[in-house]
Parts: sequence; C-alpha cells; structure tokens
Amino acid sequence: DGGITQSPKYLFRKEGQNVTLSCEQNLNHDAMYWYRQDPGQGLRLIYYSQIVNDFQKGDIAEGYSVSREKKESFPLTVTSAQKNPTAFYLCASQRYTEAFFGQGTRLTVV
Amino acid sequence: AQSVTQPDIHITVSEGASLELRCNYSYGATPYLFWYVQSPGQGLQLLLKYFSGDTLVQGIKGFEAEFKRSQSSFNLRKPSVHWSDAAEYFCAVVRDDKIIFGKGTRLHILP
Repeated sequence: DGGITQSPKYLFRKEGQNVTLSCEQNLNHDAMYWYRQDPGQGLRLIYYSQIVNDFQKGDIAEGYSVSREKKESFPLTVTSAQKNPTAFYLCASQRYTEAFFGQGTRLTVV
Repeated sequence: AQSVTQPDIHITVSEGASLELRCNYSYGATPYLFWYVQSPGQGLQLLLKYFSGDTLVQGIKGFEAEFKRSQSSFNLRKPSVHWSDAAEYFCAVVRDDKIIFGKGTRLHILP
C-alpha cells in the first residue's frame, strides 16, 4: 500500500535534547511538508521541500531543522532551541495541489 | 495574512440533523480549496476539493461543499450527520504552492 509513514507515534524527550521525527513516503511525490498542530491553532507550516536536496522555511521554522537527501524521506529535527516543542507533528506529501498526510507523531518534552 | 478563516471553533448538532461548517478565504481570484477531516490523534483525510467548474462539489462520506465567489466562501454541508462524523474539520487553500489551513472546527454530535 502506498502512503506516508511517520514514526514513532509517541515520543518523549527531556528538555534540552534534540529529537528527530521520521517521515517516509512511497507515493513518489516530489513535495513534502512538516506541520505542527496545537489545540485551536490549526496546522502551521514548519518546513517544506519541493525537490530532493532543497527545502524552505515555513511560517514557524525557528528551532527546527530538516534534510531531504532522498525523495522518500524528510526527517524533522526538533532542536533544543525550540522553546515549546510539545505538540502534534504531521508530515505530508503533495501531488499537484492535494496533500496526503501521515498519522502524526505526538512529541512530549518533559 | 490570514488566507482561510473558519469562524466557528466548535459546532454541536444532533445526530440526524443537517450540518453546515463555514469557511471564508482571502487569497486568489480562483483559489484551489479543500476540506479535510481529522479524527483525534490521527492524520488528515481529504473530504473534497474545488479547483474549477461546477461550484457544488461532492465528496466522500456524504459531504458536499459550495464555492461562492461573491462571498469568498466554501462551506461544507451534510444533510444528515452520523455519530461517526464527530471530528475536527479543516478548510484549506493553496497559496504560493503551499497548502494553508484554517484553525479548524470541532464537530460534536448529540445522540
């Protein structure tokens, strides 16, 4: 089955530690996205990549980093510089103008 | 600049009643518009989309939406809701090749 896989589903980290969220797709889509979701805030764009080895900042990129070395993979690192990292993170890939979403990773920083 | 506005944060309807969720957009003369649904702790699923043509769009799960250019609206409707429709609903628009989402409307269903 084609789709987008995010792992892990739940992630706990201590404050001050970097953590990497995985996102893999086998849909052969060029574009991939990371969104952050907080209650009442909708989905806010963190980073996006339209093609391998290239990516752009979204609206809330501070404290995050990404890489796009392969078409299938777009990992997101939440760094210690992110002041409030506890949130639900969604990865998506895009074909034309339609986005397909993974099941999300809930990150809790304690 | 805000591209998508969903004025209602929460909506409660009785099972079997009709539903309308509001969405207003502020980008583009002919926008690409979407409605997505999210169950708790899950990703988003596309309900329907509008690119051009017929302004009444049919989607999955019995949902439809109507594009009204004069009102800059793309409201989602369902004639009779089921308890399984309880979820959060997001309207979205394409802006600069990115999909921008509204803040969502949470739908509650009364038995």
